[in-house]
Amino acid sequence: DQQVKQNSPSLSVQEGRISILNCDYTNSMFDYFLWYKKYPAEGPTFLISISSIKDKNEDGRFTVFLNKSAKHLSLHIVPSQPGDSAVYFCAARDPSSGTYKYIFGTGTRLKVLA
Amino acid sequence: EPEVTQTPSHQVTQMGQEVILRCVPISNHLYFYWYRQILGQKVEFLVSFYNNEISEKSEIFDDQFSVERPDGSNFTLKIRSTKLEDSAMYFCASLRDIQETQYFGPGTRLLVL
Repeated sequence: DQQVKQNSPSLSVQEGRISILNCDYTNSMFDYFLWYKKYPAEGPTFLISISSIKDKNEDGRFTVFLNKSAKHLSLHIVPSQPGDSAVYFCAARDPSSGTYKYIFGTGTRLKVLA
Repeated sequence: EPEVTQTPSHQVTQMGQEVILRCVPISNHLYFYWYRQILGQKVEFLVSFYNNEISEKSEIFDDQFSVERPDGSNFTLKIRSTKLEDSAMYFCASLRDIQETQYFGPGTRLLVL
């Protein structure tokens, strides 16, 4: 039962262009969403978050959009840089358990080509 | 900037042996978590810990697993009798307040032979 899905396992983008990473979820109770960036053999690094009461959050080159009716969020990186090459995970917080654990998607490997 | 640390970074063990993975969460954090990632798969929740007790555990977290906060700074994950399928990256995470972001450690790569 995959509650958080990232349907694109990989994405290649030219340097300077926009990268769009997508994430879908099934549980309308999820109240907070995070994007993490992960390099091989390292822990996930927090990138940007969005609360379910918002539809957009921006931080520098990174913007996250949330469409609650579609249960879809996306991460936009503009402009993309070679250093952005990593695996990106979206994670959704489940408040129903009381511990607010995060449920992760399977990740999208982004490769930014110089 | 404060960060979550984990030791060791790598551990190789024989099947059936006990391993203890150590984490030092950020000092003023109150909620602690263990996640794992089997190679090529997603990050999976194992257990959460608050107020010196387990608050939630996943179905992965069976009787072979235990967690402890022995001294107010360390947070450990023990696997009593390792199996081949326990081979994974294990990540510790902590947060100060439920409304805030979880911060992850760099992980321990466990290989069970």
